[in-house]
Amino acid sequence: GAVVSQHPSRVICKSGTSVKIECRSLDFQATTMFWYRQFPKQSLMLMATSNEGSKATYEQGVEKDKFLINHASLTLSTLTVTSAHPEDSSFYICSAPGSGSPDTQYFGPGTRLTVL
Amino acid sequence: QKEVEQNSGPLSVPEGAIASLNCTYSDRGSQSFFWYRQYSGKSPELIMSIYSNGDKEDGRFTAQLNKASQYVSLLIRDSQPSDSATYLCAVSDTGGYNKLIFGAGTRLAVHP
Repeated sequence: GAVVSQHPSRVICKSGTSVKIECRSLDFQATTMFWYRQFPKQSLMLMATSNEGSKATYEQGVEKDKFLINHASLTLSTLTVTSAHPEDSSFYICSAPGSGSPDTQYFGPGTRLTVL
Repeated sequence: QKEVEQNSGPLSVPEGAIASLNCTYSDRGSQSFFWYRQYSGKSPELIMSIYSNGDKEDGRFTAQLNKASQYVSLLIRDSQPSDSATYLCAVSDTGGYNKLIFGAGTRLAVHP
């Protein structure tokens, strides 16, 4: 149990375009999901907490108008990077708390975004 | 500011040896502690969770927790080259619902 998927696994886009990343909990429901960003050789940086049926909670310094989060259902959260620029190139990873252990987070496989 | 500190490494150990990874945290109210393994280019994978003081063993892995010292460790016995990865220590954030605070990770290299 506690399997989280992400799509796409890798995306290359031109500067100025928008990219949508999907995060799904496959065998459990998740009212909360977390979005992280990780630059090379650095640790995970929490960007926002996605809440099903309500607005996402963004961490300090994260632009909510640039990183749009929608938690459409109990198994799906999406992150849209709007007007992407090269500095947005990073590894984006989502996670969800397990249904049996809500303080344990299970990670999706991540999405490698490269903005040209 | 709540912090989780880890030695960045690399920690280099010979195959078959015991690898010892350490972590300290600043939030005294934290109740849940986790070790994740992250291979290069991959996402973190949960290895161990620990909630009470003392040791918790799972196969070749032993997590140790000392809340008074605000210290968590992970021991890997009979280290294998496949254990070479970055190990992330994570601590529950008392200020946020189910949020975790991650350390920067310790890179472990097990050489044959």
